[in-house]
Amino acid sequence: GIQVEQSPPDLILQEGANSTLRCNFSDSVNNLQWFHQNPWGQLINLFYIPSGTKQNGRLSATTVATERYSLLYISSSQTTDSGVYFCAVGRGTDKLIFGTGTRLQVFP
Amino acid sequence: SQTIHQWPATLVQPVGSPLSLECTVEGTSNPNLYWYRQAAGRGLQLLFYSVGIGQISSEVPQNLSASRPQDRQFILSSKKLLLSDSGFYLCAWSSGPGGYTFGSGTRLTVV
Repeated sequence: GIQVEQSPPDLILQEGANSTLRCNFSDSVNNLQWFHQNPWGQLINLFYIPSGTKQNGRLSATTVATERYSLLYISSSQTTDSGVYFCAVGRGTDKLIFGTGTRLQVFP
Repeated sequence: SQTIHQWPATLVQPVGSPLSLECTVEGTSNPNLYWYRQAAGRGLQLLFYSVGIGQISSEVPQNLSASRPQDRQFILSSKKLLLSDSGFYLCAWSSGPGGYTFGSGTRLTVV
């Protein structure tokens, strides 16, 4: 099956800093999504981005499908950005395979 | 608008007892439904998915089963829980690529 690797596994930032999270996948996909899991466990869909670039406020994402990676950018981080960020991919169906996540802690 | 309900939020069950977790979706029809498990606070493992009533696909052999008795109802069950069944169980639905929505999850502790 498709392997999904995320880096770094852990990230500690001070408020206001910028960060880049990376997702590598082992095979071609036609579905890629980024999720944020808050400290209470709720998963929120951030981006559906099988290719190209999207922006939503302080967050943006880029997927280079031909090179099998995606990047999530967080600018001017806030404490509410803390949690775990997951990349998930799929091919041919709606089933998603999740990476192991990046745990982000933002301190004031 | 579409909503997804999952209950209970937390559950403590003894080893060997049965399990039934329920998930319902409102505001959509014929959704794809999923059960995921998250252990140790990291990584989601797909357990079951369903594309229609009575249609269940299992991703990982295990002590659990799933059923979809109605279009917008998805149930996760076990006849006899094991300690290794502990974890955070999440239900999700999708109507197509990019439309993934998760429920709030059930934290199961088997003692």
